[in-house]
Amino acid sequence: SQKIEQNSEALNIQEGKTATLTCNYTNYSPAYLQWYRQDPGRGPVFLLLIRENEKEKRKERLKVTFDTTLKQSLFHITASQPADSATYLCALERSGGYQKVTFGTGTKLQVIP
Amino acid sequence: NAGVTQTPKFQVLKTGQSMTLQCAQDMNHEYMSWYRQDPGMGLRLIHYSVGAGITDQGEVPNGYNVSRSTTEDFPLRLLSAAPSQTSVYFCASSSASGGAYNEQFFGPGTRLTVL
Repeated sequence: SQKIEQNSEALNIQEGKTATLTCNYTNYSPAYLQWYRQDPGRGPVFLLLIRENEKEKRKERLKVTFDTTLKQSLFHITASQPADSATYLCALERSGGYQKVTFGTGTKLQVIP
Repeated sequence: NAGVTQTPKFQVLKTGQSMTLQCAQDMNHEYMSWYRQDPGMGLRLIHYSVGAGITDQGEVPNGYNVSRSTTEDFPLRLLSAAPSQTSVYFCASSSASGGAYNEQFFGPGTRLTVL
């Protein structure tokens, strides 16, 4: 069956370091992979989208990689700040047809001052 | 723009009651979706719509109905509430412009408790 895995354990890092979050998937051929940020009590907020034919995408301090051979995406936050503390969700979307997106369970990031 | 709005923010129901969760967006987006989020389960798609008058089932549609009479509104109806429907519900919208399934914009959520 199709499965998306994100590290369910919280990730604690020191301010200023690079945070790296992982999204692995199996039995899936996504056309797009998206990363969202979710703060407690709020809806997810879109951060980045990467397509299957793209290896890397950057936006300010954020970087996403997409390896369709390894079936893995890595999400990096450089020079992390306490304000980056949140839960980060990855979402995979198939191509063609109607919009159907599958979300991972998310990884909680805590940046320690 | 208000973006995606949802009402109510909180709701407590008794088993067997029915209710409608409201969702509206002012971005003229074609796509709208309803998700539920439970601890350890991630967001799961309940129903979605690709335009006014067109809806389809997602991963967990049982016990829920939707309709899309306008581009702006996409209400979710619970027919006979059950404790298993206790969850946080999110509505989302996105544009299909350019042929790409773009980012989804989420509402603030409705926290529903069924006793």
